[in-house]
Amino acid sequence: GAGVSQSPSNKVTEKGKDVELRCDPISGHTALYWYRQSLGQGLEFLIYFQGNSAPDKSGLPSDRFSAERTGGSVSTLTIQRTQQEDSAVYLCASSLTPGPSGIGSDEQYFGPGTRLTVT
Amino acid sequence: KQEVTQIPAALSVPEGENLVLNCSFTDSAIYNLQWFRQDPGKGLTSLLLIQSSQREQTSGRLNASLDKSSGRSTLYIAASQPGDSATYLCAATSGGTSYGKLTFGQGTILTVHP
Repeated sequence: GAGVSQSPSNKVTEKGKDVELRCDPISGHTALYWYRQSLGQGLEFLIYFQGNSAPDKSGLPSDRFSAERTGGSVSTLTIQRTQQEDSAVYLCASSLTPGPSGIGSDEQYFGPGTRLTVT
Repeated sequence: KQEVTQIPAALSVPEGENLVLNCSFTDSAIYNLQWFRQDPGKGLTSLLLIQSSQREQTSGRLNASLDKSSGRSTLYIAASQPGDSATYLCAATSGGTSYGKLTFGQGTILTVHP
């Protein structure tokens, strides 16, 4: 079956512009995650969705970042008024369930990422 | 706050050697620990997932162990091959409202030379 897909694979934008990054999770996966990978910070968690709700947004670095998920499937990460420090690879992952409280969660499968460059 | 550390940062070995990659975490109340590999310019490929109730998992030439009490996990690669060259990342899932959220180490860059 198809894995996690992300689009675009590369995005170059000018400082101050808004960008939208898209993630298509594995079909049937209820949980969806966004991470960011940059040279200085390694891999950082941004936000987690269970269905269409986001119980954990703790990793979003500023209010310029937002994300939504519709129909329990596709998710969009939006960055407004992009800054040069937003340049990174944005990775999306999905899992079958997050796991009930106190029980281990399922394996996360990652997409290929979107490389964002802000000039 | 969970913190994950991997040592060594880089490792170069000749083909055929058995090797161990180390991962340590500060919060022993983890739900699971996952090992990934990342090839240059690519996303992450999941290798092994160890649930908190498990001690180890095996897949082919890979074996991962988990010791929650000491806050450590190891990834053992047997009979290494040049195709194993990649960055290996471990990540821990913590509890409470953060379950599902992976906290990553900085990775070990592995080079296996023929």
